[in-house]
Amino acid sequence: EADIYQTPRYLVIGTGKKITLECSQTMGHDKMYWYQQDPGMELHLIHYSYGVNSTEKGDLSSESTVSRIRTEHFPLTLESARPSHTSQYLCASSESPGQGFVGELFFGEGSRLTVL
Amino acid sequence: RKEVEQDPGPFNVPEGATVAFNCTYSNSASQSFFWYRQDCRKEPKLLMSVYSSGNEDGRFTAQLNRASQYISLLIRDSKLSDSATYLCVVRDSSASKIIFGSGTRLSIRP
Repeated sequence: EADIYQTPRYLVIGTGKKITLECSQTMGHDKMYWYQQDPGMELHLIHYSYGVNSTEKGDLSSESTVSRIRTEHFPLTLESARPSHTSQYLCASSESPGQGFVGELFFGEGSRLTVL
Repeated sequence: RKEVEQDPGPFNVPEGATVAFNCTYSNSASQSFFWYRQDCRKEPKLLMSVYSSGNEDGRFTAQLNRASQYISLLIRDSKLSDSATYLCVVRDSSASKIIFGSGTRLSIRP
């Protein structure tokens, strides 16, 4: 069972509000990721981090920002939510491939965001 | 051309049938390969890693063909509970990039 947690699981919020989606993992993984996925559609990488104080933008442009102050914590923030941000946001983490590790991703259960 | 390509399906097969999916990747330096399963409105979960020698886990068999740059997943004696989207995932040689295919939808009918 993966030890990666996301909160909130569901969030309905009005336009213009600031939101933070939390993601924490207790596996000591150095790599963490945020994906965005609409129903029935493919996953899109929006942010990733290879360690503390390291963050990069992913393949899909996003107005969200992330931070990585602690290894276990990788929150995503939207300063001003809009209806176009309505989606599911999935956090994942992985160990680096190496001796005995193949580097698979472990996903949290996701945060489903609806912006009215 | 996408870096990882899958037939989107849907594959609609009867219970008990054998079904196979292929996935092609474009980067010959890719290092690690996986099949994930994603149920509707749920997070992806690792089904199996794919090793060079091929590997089997119960009714599931994964194969890697580096020369042709594809991986495959074979499901034998399919069950209703196998209905899901199957995602092909490729990790590059530097381990810095993980690429998901768009997924193949499988529906098992009674």
